[in-house]
Amino acid sequence: DGGITQSPKYLFRKEGQNVTLSCEQNLNHDAMYWYRQDPGQGLRLIYYSQIVNDFQKGDIAEGYSVSREKKESFPLTVTSAQKNPTAFYLCASSMGQDNQPQHFGDGTRLSIL
Amino acid sequence: GQQLNQSPQSMFIQEGEDVSMNCTSSSIFNTWLWYKQDPGEGPVLLIALYKAGELTSNGRLTAQFGITRKDSFLNISASIPSDVGIYFCAGQVNNNDMRFGAGTRLTVKP
Repeated sequence: DGGITQSPKYLFRKEGQNVTLSCEQNLNHDAMYWYRQDPGQGLRLIYYSQIVNDFQKGDIAEGYSVSREKKESFPLTVTSAQKNPTAFYLCASSMGQDNQPQHFGDGTRLSIL
Repeated sequence: GQQLNQSPQSMFIQEGEDVSMNCTSSSIFNTWLWYKQDPGEGPVLLIALYKAGELTSNGRLTAQFGITRKDSFLNISASIPSDVGIYFCAGQVNNNDMRFGAGTRLTVKP
């Protein structure tokens, strides 16, 4: 099945700890995105990547880092600098051309221990 | 960045009723998208609109791209229990700039 796979489904972080959320897609999409979802709010863009080895900050990049070493993979690290990391994190991908819609994974819920 | 104004925030309807929700913005968008999200899942694309004035259907769902390019609406006809969920609008300027509404939470009573 083609799609976007996020793992783990649930993740717990201790104080001062960095955690990494995985996102893999087999849709052959060029562009990948990370969003944060908080209750009652629209999705907010953390980072995006148009091509391998290139990525750009979104609206709320502080306290997060990403890498794009392979086309299929776009992991997100939530660092200890992110003071309010509890949220639902969504990864998306698209063909990378204008007006092509983004398709989403099933999300990772991150909580603080 | 600016998010979209989506209304209503929530709706409680009886099975069989029609539903209407909309999104507005002060900015112009090139594409309007509507997604549905079930609890604990990612948003699933329902309808994509690419031209001002465009009216597109997907089964019982109908969406329109506003003529001013600043708004869009989604209608659901003859609602059924599985329509329950959160519906999000999204306006896309280009590949890297997509803005989301806060969502409309739909509850359908059998």
